[in-house]
Amino acid sequence: DVKVTQSSRYLVKRTGEKVFLECVQDMDHENMFWYRQDPGLGLRLIYFSYDVKMKEKGDIPEGYSVSREKKERFSLILESASTNQTSMYLCASSPYYRGSGNQPQHFGDGTRLSIL
Amino acid sequence: AQTVTQSQPEMSVQEAETVTLSCTYDTSESDYYLFWYKQPPSRQMILVIRQEAYKQQNATENRFSVNFQKAAKSFSLKISDSQLGDAAMYFCAYRNPLGGDGGATNKLIFGTGTLLAVQP
Repeated sequence: DVKVTQSSRYLVKRTGEKVFLECVQDMDHENMFWYRQDPGLGLRLIYFSYDVKMKEKGDIPEGYSVSREKKERFSLILESASTNQTSMYLCASSPYYRGSGNQPQHFGDGTRLSIL
Repeated sequence: AQTVTQSQPEMSVQEAETVTLSCTYDTSESDYYLFWYKQPPSRQMILVIRQEAYKQQNATENRFSVNFQKAAKSFSLKISDSQLGDAAMYFCAYRNPLGGDGGATNKLIFGTGTLLAVQP
């Protein structure tokens, strides 16, 4: 089974801090994604990466950056945390190959981040 | 841009009964993929069922089946013989056909979710 591991389930940080959320997958997937989940808004894509050192902005990238130095690891960075970034953050991965369109994304357990 | 709409924020069903969750989407593509994900209170999102748009036959996975109406751009999920463990948030998701731009078109577009309660 695919395993996507997020480093923390709960995290409390202060306004202005630099926050790192880590995600590791064990299936050699090319694609990795960071989502934010808020009630009534569903999942919104922050950033994704389709290869090492490659990244693309999603729908809500403002205030976030990402890093992918190794294929299995995708980090989300809040450069200067603000209270409106309090949310649930979900990491996901999926393969990319010819015919993989029907392959699902595999999700981690999520990190509930509170910014005080 | 593609959009996914789930018009039922909350639903309730009696144990052993059948419930249908609605999902509509908007796209100009003819070939695409649709998914239903389940997120139980433990939080991990898991795939329930998937459908390729080029397949006319509705997908089925045990008690879960879909009603895929391509012309109407509708993709509803039917849960038969509902069980207490089916209580969760359910998300409908859409994916474009994969292009030649690496994984860039591997993005999923999610609806806002339907919270399903199962009454004993």
